[in-house]
Amino acid sequence: GENVEQHPSTLSVQEGDSAVIKCTYSDSASNYFPWYKQELGKRPQLIIDIRSNVGEKKDQRIAVTLNKTAKHFSLHITETQPEDSAVYFCAARDRGSTLGRLYFGRGTQLTVWP
Amino acid sequence: DAGVTQSPTHLIKTRGQHVTLRCSPISGHKSVSWYQQVLGQGPQFIFQYYEKEERGRGNFPDRFSARQFPNYSSELNVNALLLGDSALYLCASSNQGNYEQYFGPGTRLTVT
Repeated sequence: GENVEQHPSTLSVQEGDSAVIKCTYSDSASNYFPWYKQELGKRPQLIIDIRSNVGEKKDQRIAVTLNKTAKHFSLHITETQPEDSAVYFCAARDRGSTLGRLYFGRGTQLTVWP
Repeated sequence: DAGVTQSPTHLIKTRGQHVTLRCSPISGHKSVSWYQQVLGQGPQFIFQYYEKEERGRGNFPDRFSARQFPNYSSELNVNALLLGDSALYLCASSNQGNYEQYFGPGTRLTVT
């Protein structure tokens, strides 16, 4: 099955700086890569996603890039704010099943200092 | 628009007991997936159901079972609970043709 690796496990940045979280995946057939934000005690929230036919996608301060050849994808957050502090998970979709199960990375604890 | 709902919110059980967790998907969504999230890790896939049929099963023992009802709500059952079953159990809702999965608030299960 798919294996998703996520780095770093913790990331601290100053408010206003950029943050980058990187993930690699093993199955070249995976075709969908979502990112989730999970605040303490809350549900994972889908913040952005990208499909394998696209190299980059942007939504205001967040962007995701995908390199299919290298099998890695990254989350970029610009102009970080304290409310961006949370655990971020990357995931890859298993193309084998009809609807696709998600394989998650272990998460990155992002802390934005004011 | 109501999101994914789960019940109960928290649950404390003793080893060897049985538990049933419930999930209602977003209105119009026909697929429900269950994930287990152990503290400090990402969610791990347990089951996926679509139109009341099991469409995927993760690497979990037979003590774990699930079903989906005609209204697309779902139950996850865990028998013979072990301490290691303590986790946040998440339900995700999606629709055929759409890749996005939306999570419910989860059920925090503690096994003592």
